[in-house]
Amino acid sequence: GAVVSQHPSRVICKSGTSVKIECRSLDFQATTMFWYRQFPKQSLMLMATSNEGSKATYEQGVEKDKFLINHASLTLSTLTVTSAHPEDSSFYICSARSTRTREETQYFGPGTRLLVL
Amino acid sequence: QKEVEQNSGPLSVPEGAIASLNCTYSDRGSQSFFWYRQYSGKSPELIMSIYSNGDKEDGRFTAQLNKASQYVSLLIRDSQPSDSATYLCAVISRYSTLTFGKGTMLLVSP
Repeated sequence: GAVVSQHPSRVICKSGTSVKIECRSLDFQATTMFWYRQFPKQSLMLMATSNEGSKATYEQGVEKDKFLINHASLTLSTLTVTSAHPEDSSFYICSARSTRTREETQYFGPGTRLLVL
Repeated sequence: QKEVEQNSGPLSVPEGAIASLNCTYSDRGSQSFFWYRQYSGKSPELIMSIYSNGDKEDGRFTAQLNKASQYVSLLIRDSQPSDSATYLCAVISRYSTLTFGKGTMLLVSP
């Protein structure tokens, strides 16, 4: 159990285009999903916390108008990188927290590698 | 003061040895503690969670928690080359925020 998927796993796009990344909890419901970014040889950086049915909470320094997050259901959250630029190239990872138990374990998706040319 | 601190390593151990990974945290009100393993180019994978003082064993892995010292560790017995990865300590603070350490790179040599 506790499987989280992401789609796509890898995307290459031109500068100025928008890219949508999907994060799904496959076998559990998640009221809260998280979006992280990781640059090469650096630690995970939390970008935003996404709660089902409400606006996402962004970490300091993360532009909410550039990184649009939608958490429309208990199993799906999307991150849209708008007007992507080469500096947005990174490894984007989502995680989901189960509503099923009292534990607050986060389960990670496999990540999406974004390359902006 | 950093919230969750880990030695970046690399920690090098020979195959079959015990690897000991350490983590300290600053929020004394933290209640939940996790160890994740991250292979290069992959996302983190949950190894262990621990919530109470003492030891928790799962196979070759043992997590140890000492809330008085604000210290959590992960022991890997009979280390294998496939254990070579970065190990992330994560702590949920009293404010329900999961904070990761920067990770310790473990290298297990055959």
